[in-house]
Amino acid sequence: EIVLTQSPTTMAASPGEKVTLNCLASSSVSYMNWYQQKSGASPKLWIYGTSNLASGVPNRFSGSGSGTSYSLTISSMEAEDVATYYCLQLSSYPLTFGSGTKLEIK
Amino acid sequence: QVQLKESGPGLVQPSQTLSLTCTVSGFSLTSNSVHWVRQPPGKGLEWVGAIWSGGSTDYNSALKSRLSISRDTSKSQVFLKMNSLQTEDTAIYFCTRRNCDYWGQGVMVTVSS
Repeated sequence: EIVLTQSPTTMAASPGEKVTLNCLASSSVSYMNWYQQKSGASPKLWIYGTSNLASGVPNRFSGSGSGTSYSLTISSMEAEDVATYYCLQLSSYPLTFGSGTKLEIK
Repeated sequence: QVQLKESGPGLVQPSQTLSLTCTVSGFSLTSNSVHWVRQPPGKGLEWVGAIWSGGSTDYNSALKSRLSISRDTSKSQVFLKMNSLQTEDTAIYFCTRRNCDYWGQGVMVTVSS
């Protein structure tokens, strides 16, 4: 089973600040998906195939990475970005999620 | 448009069997897989299992002995059955399509006497 380790667990960013969330895989994966989950809601696909933004996702978001190291970057933090972000690997079964990064605003 | 909706009992007694239904629209089950994912209160996401477009299944090894996923393509429904429920199975259960691109709203299942 591939274990995904997300860091940091929690972080707070000021409006306009650049934010980077990390996801480290225990073995190499072909690509990574990222999900945004707001309180009381279902997860939403946010980034797929490592770097492709899902429909409606603002272009201040970007994704990158390869092998065992992946990241989600927000170029300029906004209040609406407050949420928990999860990475998901679909390269091998069982599918595994990271434990999430809770992003707050200062 | 693509939609998934979970339904089932909100409360299940310990040691009993959970039965959930995922009703889909906007896509065909014979061309798309459906996964079940669960989320205990205040915790992260856990993949439960999947049924593939051809009807075969894959399960989380930790749950495999208690789990069954099936479908009725004529009704566009996918079913999850999990037996011998324990309090640790209390969670929101989601169904999601294919590469987890679209998700249902989830159904909260509480295991308690």
